[in-house]
Amino acid sequence: SQKIEQNSEALNIQEGKTATLTCNYTNYSPAYLQWYRQDPGRGPVFLLLIRENEKEKRKERLKVTFDTTLKQSLFHITASQPADSATYLCALGAYGGYQKVTFGTGTKLQVIP
Amino acid sequence: DADVTQTPRNRITKTGKRIMLECSQTKGHDRMYWYRQDPGLGLRLIYYSFDVKDINKGEISDGYSVSRQAQAKFSLSLESAIPNQTALYFCATRAGQGSTEAFFGQGTRLTVV
Repeated sequence: SQKIEQNSEALNIQEGKTATLTCNYTNYSPAYLQWYRQDPGRGPVFLLLIRENEKEKRKERLKVTFDTTLKQSLFHITASQPADSATYLCALGAYGGYQKVTFGTGTKLQVIP
Repeated sequence: DADVTQTPRNRITKTGKRIMLECSQTKGHDRMYWYRQDPGLGLRLIYYSFDVKDINKGEISDGYSVSRQAQAKFSLSLESAIPNQTALYFCATRAGQGSTEAFFGQGTRLTVV
């Protein structure tokens, strides 16, 4: 069955450093991969989309890589700030049909001042 | 005002009661979704709808029903609530074919006692 793995342990990082979160998947050939941010008690908010034929995407301090050979995506936040503290979800999707999107369980990031 | 609004935000109900969660959106999107989120399990799809006349079961539809009253409104009902339906429920919308970003409501925290 399809499986998405995100580190369930919280990631603590010092302010100003680069945070790197990992999303691994098995038994899946996604057409695209998304990253969302979720704050406590709130709904997820879309951050970035990367398609299967793209290696890297950037948006301001965010960078996402997608390695379909390793079946892995890395999500980087450079110059991290305490306001970046949140849970980050990856989601894998396929085109066609109902565009099924499968979410990971998320990794909690804590940026320490 | 939020693009995707869920009501109520919090609800405590008793086992066996019928309860309805409501979702309305101002995005003008055709596609609407209901998810539940449980610790360690991530977001799981309950039902989805492509338009008013199109309703489809997701991964975990047992014990739930939905109604798409209009393009902007999608309600989730628990016909006879049970304790293991205690969870955080999210409504989400997406535009039509080719668009992949999901917009989530702020969630409904449901407790069944």
